[in-house]
Amino acid sequence: EAQLVESGGGVVQPGRSLRLTCAGSGFNFVDYAVSWVRQAPGRGLEWLGLVRSRTYGGTVEYAASVKGRFTISRHDSESLAFLQMNSLKTEDTAMYYCVRGLTIPGAKYWFDPWGQGTLVTVSS
Amino acid sequence: DIQMTQSPSTLSASVGDRVAITCRASQSISSWLAWYQQKPGKVPKLLIYEASSLESGVPSRFSGSGYGTEFTLTISSLQPDDSASYYCQHYNSFPLSFGGGTKVEIK
Repeated sequence: EAQLVESGGGVVQPGRSLRLTCAGSGFNFVDYAVSWVRQAPGRGLEWLGLVRSRTYGGTVEYAASVKGRFTISRHDSESLAFLQMNSLKTEDTAMYYCVRGLTIPGAKYWFDPWGQGTLVTVSS
Repeated sequence: DIQMTQSPSTLSASVGDRVAITCRASQSISSWLAWYQQKPGKVPKLLIYEASSLESGVPSRFSGSGYGTEFTLTISSLQPDDSASYYCQHYNSFPLSFGGGTKVEIK
């Protein structure tokens, strides 16, 4: 069974950085895109970005709201993906989900499964 | 960028009712639309992809329809277990985006 597990969340002061890690298991991690989605308390889902599989160049796409502050990367040999978050703001407080990107044939992505999420709280 | 608008934001219905949730895209997205269910305190779960393809294991009372800019998620006979928030997501082009969500409550 495909599974994703996030780690690295916690409480951080505004302006600081945090790196989240996503560990994949139960599937061939190298063959899939990985995306990050967040959900602020009591709010809806916000797509943050996606890193394609090596087959499709391993390139990254970002939402405008985080481009330049957040960086997504992957380390296929360890089935890991990362979300590096810099210059954090109070409005970045949210549950952060790692999701596997399903695709046909490498340009259209929907998500399954979702990790359990890791909570990031930005507060002084 | 493509904006996704869901309606209604909240829906209250009785067990056995037929329920429909609408998702509208600001421009055509062909059939590149997915629906997710999120129960309170839980992780979102994929229900439907490519507008009308039912994900394996999802009950057949869920169905999706639509093309272009208007899409519908239908629950043919609402069950107590369907109390949740539902989100649409377009994947026509980057940036990807979700609708604002619809909360379904059981009367």
